[in-house]
Amino acid sequence: SQQGEEDPQALSIQEGENATMNCSYKTSINNLQWYRQNSGRGLVHLILIRSNEREKHSGRLRVTLDTSKKSSSLLITASRAADTASYFCATDALMDSSYKLIFGSGTRLLVRP
Amino acid sequence: GAGVSQTPSNKVTEKGKYVELRCDPISGHTALYWYRQSLGQGPEFLIYFQGTGAADDSGLPNDRFFAVRPEGSVSTLKIQRTERGDSAVYLCASSSGTGTHEQFFGPGTRLTVL
Repeated sequence: SQQGEEDPQALSIQEGENATMNCSYKTSINNLQWYRQNSGRGLVHLILIRSNEREKHSGRLRVTLDTSKKSSSLLITASRAADTASYFCATDALMDSSYKLIFGSGTRLLVRP
Repeated sequence: GAGVSQTPSNKVTEKGKYVELRCDPISGHTALYWYRQSLGQGPEFLIYFQGTGAADDSGLPNDRFFAVRPEGSVSTLKIQRTERGDSAVYLCASSSGTGTHEQFFGPGTRLTVL
């Protein structure tokens, strides 16, 4: 079973607007990562935030992490049509020596030109 | 190659048949993971290799699934007596070592069991 839940499940916005996706998880974690997936195939790593960090930026991406609420958000600013994809958060559980990723169910983002 | 490669990209088989899915990780990456992704869902962990050994196979759904990595590089996921419920995209990922690292994913193999 998957650990994470993401909301919204689907998001449709106009090009140029900001997109915010949220992720919740259940157990204590080492780190949280966000991935992007086009057309249901390979995933592309976007950003990793460690459990002792609260906010991280990478280009147009901003990720926050609230370990007390076991939640994270991904903000994409000034969205482009090319940002259309599915976005997943993934965590690796504290004390899990395999560092396997537990994925959320994803948010499908549609950016309308 | 520069990235993780997986073959075949698509595999159609009949119920009850045996299939093998191959993953070629990034050169030098010691950690290799297999995940399975059903339509509309996020990937689910199957098995993790550190070097040649399966360090965590807790995600394998049953004993029809088996994976090997005999030389610590290429890995093969083997599914016996396939069932329609095995239809999914099988993703392989590799990373550079122990601890939390970015996992680099291959393009996946789409398995369809008729």
